[in-house]
Amino acid sequence: GAGVSQSPRYKVAKRGQDVALRCDPISGHVSLFWYQQALGQGPEFLTYFQNEAQLDKSGLPSDRFFAERPEGSVSTLKIQRTQQEDSAVYLCASSLGAPGANVLTFGAGSRLTVL
Amino acid sequence: QKEVEQDPGPLSVPEGAIVSLNCTYSNSAFQYFMWYRQYSRKGPELLMYTYSSGNKEDGRFTAQVDKSSKYISLFIRDSQPSDSATYLCAMNKGGSEKLVFGKGTKLTVNP
Repeated sequence: GAGVSQSPRYKVAKRGQDVALRCDPISGHVSLFWYQQALGQGPEFLTYFQNEAQLDKSGLPSDRFFAERPEGSVSTLKIQRTQQEDSAVYLCASSLGAPGANVLTFGAGSRLTVL
Repeated sequence: QKEVEQDPGPLSVPEGAIVSLNCTYSNSAFQYFMWYRQYSRKGPELLMYTYSSGNKEDGRFTAQVDKSSKYISLFIRDSQPSDSATYLCAMNKGGSEKLVFGKGTKLTVNP
């Protein structure tokens, strides 16, 4: 597609529920990133894929967070047993993966509210 | 202390004003510096990027990087109400694809 597509745009979950957030990157983009953006804050890095390989997951806040990109295209971020502190906007971004300045194209985000 | 510091504002200016937005950083390994603009309930979009120290101009926008002071700036000339958004600085190290963002500065340009 023309841009990075994320779904759902809005998700309300009860504490303890599992959620799955989907990202469809720009076709041909090798690199895919997940960021978490809390209210009034800048995006915080969660994890990064190059094709299907997860090269860096150092930003995942706990083992309740899991991301995958099995065929090197669409990615899913899964949060198990959601907590109130997980409430945030989850941004997906993709890039060509060329060396140098990392120019990311972001999706509109998935806004998660945990009650 | 965060690697990238940015005053969150908010900043409110009249239409036509010159706006100055700034970030400081602590890690001298950062080599690539970017400014993203984020409208409410949208994802960030890239405005400009620069490599190492120096200036870059694009229309009404000028980005400056001073690596010796670990300080970057974005200037907006002749600001317009459509410039009202949150401006995020971001940077990455050479050889790393991970972007580190500032907190963002919320700008309002009043007609």
